[in-house]
Amino acid sequence: EVQLVESGGGLVQPGGSLRLSCAASEFTFSSYWMHWVRQAPGKGLVWVSRISSAGSSTTYADSVKGRFTVSRDNAKNTLYLQMNSLRAEDTAVYYCAREYYGFWSGYYMDVWGKGTTVTVSS
Amino acid sequence: DIQMTQSPSSLSASVGDRVAITCRASQSISSYLNWYQQKPGKAPKLLIYATSSLQSGVPSRFSGSGSGTDFTLTISSLQPEDFASYYCQQSYSTSWTFGQGTQVEIK
Repeated sequence: EVQLVESGGGLVQPGGSLRLSCAASEFTFSSYWMHWVRQAPGKGLVWVSRISSAGSSTTYADSVKGRFTVSRDNAKNTLYLQMNSLRAEDTAVYYCAREYYGFWSGYYMDVWGKGTTVTVSS
Repeated sequence: DIQMTQSPSSLSASVGDRVAITCRASQSISSYLNWYQQKPGKAPKLLIYATSSLQSGVPSRFSGSGSGTDFTLTISSLQPEDFASYYCQQSYSTSWTFGQGTQVEIK
């Protein structure tokens, strides 16, 4: 079964750092662009970041630019999100998702993990 | 960034009702519009991609339409398992964005 499993969430103080991981299985991870999406408690979905299949191209939401870094290790089938200078407003469930692209179908997120919770609080 | 605005933010409906949720983009996004369903405590699930294409396994009571800046998700006959939150999302620009969501509740 195609699967994404996030880990690395937890409680961190404001200004601290955390690295999230997303382990992929049962598909050719190195062929797909990947995303991070977050959801604050009781709020909607917010797109965070995107990385190309080879890891050479990355994009970020303005709210995390300069603080978060997305990366991947295709040999380990793992996606990462390094989060620095964390703020209370970064508190959320963080999901990783696979991007599917088709010439006639466009771009969309077709496989999602169950999420990992990050809490930024003193 | 492209802003996505959904309406309504919430709605109450009965089983069997026809329900429509709209999504407006701040600029043209062609047909690069997707819809997701999310139930409490669960990850989002893809319903519709490229405006109107149904993801495999999604019931045919779900449909999507629109182009350019205005899009609609329609549920033709609401079922108990459809009570959830729904999000539109654009993939036209390199920075993707979601609408704020629509919560569908039981009347």
